[in-house]
Amino acid sequence: DTGVSQDPRHKITKRGQNVTFRCDPISEHNRLYWYRQTLGQGPEFLTYFQNEAQLEKSRLLSDRFSAERPKGSFSTLEIQRTEQGDSAMYLCASSLVGQGSHEQYFGPGTRLTVT
Amino acid sequence: AQSVAQPEDQVNVAEGNPLTVKCTYSVSGNPYLFWYVQYPNRGLQFLLKYITGDNLVKGSYGFEAEFNKSQTSFHLKKPSALVSDSALYFCAVIPPPLVSASRIIFGSGTRLSIRP
Repeated sequence: DTGVSQDPRHKITKRGQNVTFRCDPISEHNRLYWYRQTLGQGPEFLTYFQNEAQLEKSRLLSDRFSAERPKGSFSTLEIQRTEQGDSAMYLCASSLVGQGSHEQYFGPGTRLTVT
Repeated sequence: AQSVAQPEDQVNVAEGNPLTVKCTYSVSGNPYLFWYVQYPNRGLQFLLKYITGDNLVKGSYGFEAEFNKSQTSFHLKKPSALVSDSALYFCAVIPPPLVSASRIIFGSGTRLSIRP
């Protein structure tokens, strides 16, 4: 399967713990995006990378959230001191910019439950 | 504020009948427009897009969408619905400046239910 993959698919953690999610984009894609989706809502943009550079961050991305893409390939999203309000589906997407296409391809998501 | 509206939380259609899922947007300038579909326990799947050109665009699984600039709408359509089309559908836009074409703004989704 050459699509976007995310790990883990599910994560249950206690309030106050740190969690880290991983995203592996489609290999030739130069952009990688993180979104958050809560029940009954559409995905909300968090941040995106072009290669290894983080170019934009949403106001939703509080200082407890940090994302990296150190080698321009996979990315990690870390949430420190988790809160119950962080419970959501975290989606990763990738795209190839510069070829005239603009659609983003999404992974299956990581469902986070904070108890 | 830039936004996408999907006025119907749910659309119910009998199999074989035509379907329409509505979408309007509020964005300055001319955005890129998309439809995505989400099946249970699976990621969002790209269906179709409008960038420029013909107002009627065709996509995957027999779906099409009509761009109407004056009404700022991008309704999703299919001439004959299948039970397997039952899923959650999201309308989305990439607002200008399109040269950076970064974040997608999604609507809240419409659940499409096709009865046999």
